[in-house]
Amino acid sequence: SQQGEEDPQALSIQEGENATMNCSYKTSINNLQWYRQNSGRGLVHLILIRSNEREKHSGRLRVTLDTSKKSSSLLITASRAADTASYFCATYRGGGSQGNLIFGKGTKLSVKP
Amino acid sequence: DSGVTQTPKHLITATGQRVTLRCSPRSGDLSVYWYQQSLDQGLQFLIQYYNGEERAKGNILERFSAQQFPDLHSELNLSSLELGDSALYFCASSVSWRGNQPQHFGDGTRLSIL
Repeated sequence: SQQGEEDPQALSIQEGENATMNCSYKTSINNLQWYRQNSGRGLVHLILIRSNEREKHSGRLRVTLDTSKKSSSLLITASRAADTASYFCATYRGGGSQGNLIFGKGTKLSVKP
Repeated sequence: DSGVTQTPKHLITATGQRVTLRCSPRSGDLSVYWYQQSLDQGLQFLIQYYNGEERAKGNILERFSAQQFPDLHSELNLSSLELGDSALYFCASSVSWRGNQPQHFGDGTRLSIL
């Protein structure tokens, strides 16, 4: 079952513009993670934000988390053609004995040079 | 390079057959996860092992099984294959059994059922 839902499903922008992707989820979480997947490759971890954090930065990435709205956003600033990929949010609920993440269906980002 | 190795990269087989997918986790990681990625279902969690023990089960069919060996590599066995099993199968590893650490993904095995 899907926990996270990304929005939009696809996004096309010009190089240099900012890209914003949103993720909504259904249940309480321990943390939320963002991953990138280049075509035909495995997922690459970008950033992890814990439920008690509101904002996190990593290079050109900025992630926000609003637990009251059960939503997160990923902002990529000054995008480059190399940022073209699918981006997934994944949630970890915590508790229990398992450590698996629940992934959304992803946002496909296309950055045109 | 994530440090997670999956073999084979591609697998083409027929309905009714059985295949084994192999995963070597990143050095030092004790937890292994298997995920299935298809166009219609997205990325679905199948099963998790930690230090040789099964830790969690997700949407794994009874025809599928997995194990983690003492050297921490893992195998996913898929049997009585159906057309709908065609997908990308990913292995991921992490240090802890908890999901509060990043997971490191291999490049997957693309399984095609003819």
